[in-house]
Amino acid sequence: IAGITQAPTSQILAAGRRMTLRCTQDMRHNAMYWYRQDLGLGLRLIHYSNTAGTTGKGEVPDGYSVSRANTDDFPLTLASAVPSQTSVYFCASSDSEVLMGEDQPQHFGDGTRLSIL
Amino acid sequence: KNQVEQSPQSLIILEGKNCTLQCNYTVSPFSNLRWYKQDTGRGPVSLTIMTFSENTKSNGRYTATLDADTKQSSLHITASQLSDSASYICVALGKLIFGQGTELSVKP
Repeated sequence: IAGITQAPTSQILAAGRRMTLRCTQDMRHNAMYWYRQDLGLGLRLIHYSNTAGTTGKGEVPDGYSVSRANTDDFPLTLASAVPSQTSVYFCASSDSEVLMGEDQPQHFGDGTRLSIL
Repeated sequence: KNQVEQSPQSLIILEGKNCTLQCNYTVSPFSNLRWYKQDTGRGPVSLTIMTFSENTKSNGRYTATLDADTKQSSLHITASQLSDSASYICVALGKLIFGQGTELSVKP
């Protein structure tokens, strides 16, 4: 089934550890996104990529890094996890260029639930 | 300040009843507004998109409206079903500002 695959589905991590969240799409979409979703808050954009080889910062990029070596993969790395990064992380992709109207819908994965202790 | 506010925060209705969810936005520049449905434990799924020139758009039992003058959008659900229980999220495109969502619970 075509779509977005995120891994792991959940993780408990000690503070200070490094963690990479994986995201793969098989729809050949140019644009990809990483969001965090916290209780009572809307989805907040962490980083995005309009096409392979380019990335951009979203609303809450501090403490996170991304890379886009190819069209399909868009990993998110926490270099040194802190408790405030406890959240549910969603990866998404779309045919539209990010921050230019997004007339095409984003397709979301089912999230990674991350707890930092 | 760019922001999207949704109301109510949560809503409980009986199966078969109608309901309307509200979304107010102050986002610049504004292009389009999209509604998503998010089932528990899943990622959001797009329901519909409203451009600034559209007033009303229907997708089955879902009808979205947009008033660009008052910067308000609504999502009306007709003849609710148990499967409509979910969080409904509006997002102002151009800036990718998401509302906090309305948690809808449909009871038998």
